[in-house]
Amino acid sequence: AQSVTQLGSHVSVSEGALVLLRCNYSSSVPPYLFWYVQYPNQGLQLLLKYTSAATLVKGINGFEAEFKKSETSFHLTKPSAHMRDAAEYFCAVSVHGSSNTGKLIFGQGTTLQVKP
Amino acid sequence: DAGVTQSPTHLIKTRGQQVTLRCSPISGHKSVSWYQQVLGQGPQFIFQYYEKEERGRGNFPDRFSARQFPNYSSELNVNALLLGDSALYLCASSLEGREWSAGGYTFGSGTRLTVV
Repeated sequence: AQSVTQLGSHVSVSEGALVLLRCNYSSSVPPYLFWYVQYPNQGLQLLLKYTSAATLVKGINGFEAEFKKSETSFHLTKPSAHMRDAAEYFCAVSVHGSSNTGKLIFGQGTTLQVKP
Repeated sequence: DAGVTQSPTHLIKTRGQQVTLRCSPISGHKSVSWYQQVLGQGPQFIFQYYEKEERGRGNFPDRFSARQFPNYSSELNVNALLLGDSALYLCASSLEGREWSAGGYTFGSGTRLTVV
């Protein structure tokens, strides 16, 4: 069964500092992995996805993540934090069944605080 | 193009009541999924519908039901509401329901349900 663990429910960085949000997964099959961002009172927005192509994935807003099979990790990074990056971030793994079925399993989320 | 539209945005219900939440997918999308997001947690999969048929069901009691209409819009019904049903209910649409490899799920902003 697939699962996702996000290490650290709350991360605080200074503006301009490196952002690192940790995600480890468990999957019995090659996983498809995703990072979503959620701003207050909004739905989920896809940041980036790994679908077995390049292991270093670049997303929107300057974020990127690296798939490391040996470590079963998919950590999200951004070189320089901006105030607008303050939000809730979710790592997710897809569970794909028969045709036309699929669901996402989400981690518990990490709240990113950016200090001026 | 309009995104995924959910209604209402907020509502308050009393324990034991019934509630119906509505979702209109992106034009042309045939699959709708529902997720429950309890405060402080990641979203959890409730249902997926494709072409008006249920394609997946999460670990939720029978008090939860859903359906998809010929125009691909969807309703989520919850009977005999409990305090624990208070959550943000998210709807996600995709073209065919199997875009797990492409992460092709677009989420709505959700319906915030409060049960008192």
